[in-house]
Amino acid sequence: NAGVMQNPRHLVRRRGQEARLRCSPMKGHSHVYWYRQLPEEGLKFMVYLQKENIIDESGMPKERFSAEFPKEGPSILRIQQVVRGDSAAYFCASSAETGPLEQYFGPGTRLTVT
Amino acid sequence: GESVGLHLPTLSVQEGDNSIINCAYSNSASDYFIWYKQESGKGPQFIIDIRSNMDKRQGQRVTVLLNKTVKHLSLQIAATQPGDSAVYFCAESGWGSSNTGKLIFGQGTTLQVKP
Repeated sequence: NAGVMQNPRHLVRRRGQEARLRCSPMKGHSHVYWYRQLPEEGLKFMVYLQKENIIDESGMPKERFSAEFPKEGPSILRIQQVVRGDSAAYFCASSAETGPLEQYFGPGTRLTVT
Repeated sequence: GESVGLHLPTLSVQEGDNSIINCAYSNSASDYFIWYKQESGKGPQFIIDIRSNMDKRQGQRVTVLLNKTVKHLSLQIAATQPGDSAVYFCAESGWGSSNTGKLIFGQGTTLQVKP
């Protein structure tokens, strides 16, 4: 009965490198949400995906950020050419259906850009 | 714009007392509200939710109250325990033309329980 899994839990990247964050939703869930949390702040929505589809990316920065949720495998949040301001905790959540429903969160990936 | 905010950044209570954490929301179209608890270094943990067709919902030691007239949400924790120490977030979501179920979070209230 595994919950939402994220890896790595901690990721250190130098400025200009790429960061790849992975999220495996709960069993039976096909809806994935990514959120970003800056220190001492609440979570901010980034993107919502279903299998092979990006449904809502209204919270994604226009450049350097991308997300996917392939038919097989985990959802990936990719940040290219990272900058110090990308340092944050990135959480993914999954739900069983679309719409305003309970979302189950993973433990997060803490990205540090040096 | 849409926002969900909390009135107090930190709440300190004695063990055994009741705690009340408040939240104000601005989007009157929101019809689903959730309280999450986040412990240091962990992801948000679901506590309780409520839909806009209700004004009160109770769980184990927790009660959520919704006042749609003033767009106010509160979380009441009975007999607060040291294990309740964490940051509490309210979040809102809703059906609408752009409904995707995304959650809009408030800034968070830190609950400190003194033994």
